[in-house]
Amino acid sequence: ETGVTQSPTHLIKTRGQQVTLRCSSQSGHNTVSWYQQALGQGPQFIFQYYREEENGRGNFPPRFSGLQFPNYSSELNVNALELDDSALYLCASSGRFSPGSEQYFGPGTRLTVT
Amino acid sequence: EDQVTQSPEALRLQEGESSSLNCSYTVSGLRGLFWYRQDPGKGPEFLFTLYSAGEEKEKERLKATLTKKESFLHITAPKPEDSATYLCAVQDPFGNEKLTFGTGTRLTIIP
Repeated sequence: ETGVTQSPTHLIKTRGQQVTLRCSSQSGHNTVSWYQQALGQGPQFIFQYYREEENGRGNFPPRFSGLQFPNYSSELNVNALELDDSALYLCASSGRFSPGSEQYFGPGTRLTVT
Repeated sequence: EDQVTQSPEALRLQEGESSSLNCSYTVSGLRGLFWYRQDPGKGPEFLFTLYSAGEEKEKERLKATLTKKESFLHITAPKPEDSATYLCAVQDPFGNEKLTFGTGTRLTIIP
């Protein structure tokens, strides 16, 4: 069974640029959630995708957007990067309405905005 | 809005010294309470899910318990490899399956 994978591992961008992060869900999982984790904080929910549709969004501006593909992999796009966007971006996959609803996380992408 | 508070923020223990981490929560309805372990620079690793008050789950030196207001993660005779940040999260039964996390407890086990 393949776990959740994310790419790239690290990324350095300049303020105002755009970035795309990628996530492959765990085998058999159809739901992907994205989280932002600032240093010393717990992960904050950005949004969730189920069957290629956004299914809930946290308190993040519209410049954070995403996609889910038919194979359940997903992308997170961030436009007009700001310094405060520097964080660890985590992708988690789960089986929708599975009894446990456990979310399994990938290793994350460390984004640095300068 | 769901809220999760974890205490203490940091905990240093000698190897073999047992202790407990606390997670208190406020939710409109609890679908599940989750414990994760996170090593520096890595993604959270799933440990336990608890669903109802009185439930307990164990894994090696860890045991998680749940009441209507809080959860405890008990660590018995810890080893240095148990050093990590332990995160607690809640999931409510309304809408999507988002997790609301606390800020974590940073646990250090001294040999």
